[in-house]
Amino acid sequence: AQSVTQPDIHITVSEGASLELRCNYSYGATPYLFWYVQSPGQGLQLLLKYFSGDTLVQGIKGFEAEFKRSQSSFNLRKPSVHWSDAAEYFCAVGAGNQGGKLIFGQGTELSVKP
Amino acid sequence: KAGVTQTPRYLIKTRGQQVTLSCSPISGHRSVSWYQQTPGQGLQFLFEYFSETQRNKGNFPGRFSGRQFSNSRSEMNVSTLELGDSALYLCASSPPLGGVNTGELFFGEGSRLTVL
Repeated sequence: AQSVTQPDIHITVSEGASLELRCNYSYGATPYLFWYVQSPGQGLQLLLKYFSGDTLVQGIKGFEAEFKRSQSSFNLRKPSVHWSDAAEYFCAVGAGNQGGKLIFGQGTELSVKP
Repeated sequence: KAGVTQTPRYLIKTRGQQVTLSCSPISGHRSVSWYQQTPGQGLQFLFEYFSETQRNKGNFPGRFSGRQFSNSRSEMNVSTLELGDSALYLCASSPPLGGVNTGELFFGEGSRLTVL
């Protein structure tokens, strides 16, 4: 069965520090992978996606993620965190033939210290 | 381009009642998916509609239903509400890529349902 694991429920980083959020997935075929961000009281916004090709993908707001098939991982990174990045981050996996059906991880809440 | 619009944003119901939530997708998007978000279970897929047909369905009881209209707007209905149905219900629309739905979702802000 498909599954997504985000090992870190909550992470706190200092403003200006680098960030890495972990995501591991379980899926039988080549997955479509996504990172979404949710601010309090808001819906989810797509940060970046991986379908195929280059395993390092760039997203919005200075985020990037690297697909590592051998480790079944799709970790999200940002070189320098801003206070406005404080939010909850969700990793998700889908399949091309499943359309809008995504399996989401439990989320990682990011706090940013001034 | 307007985003995904969900109405109502907030509503309070009592056990046993039913509720209907509405979603207007981004113009040109024909796929609409619904998700339930709760603190305990996280984000769970309810169902997806494409061209007025249910294309995928999650593991929810039959009390949860939906439909899609010819203009791609969608509604979901929950009958005989239970306390556990209190959640944020998120609608998302998805653009086709070469005729294939990619799973790239654009979410609305959600309808927060409280069941008392």
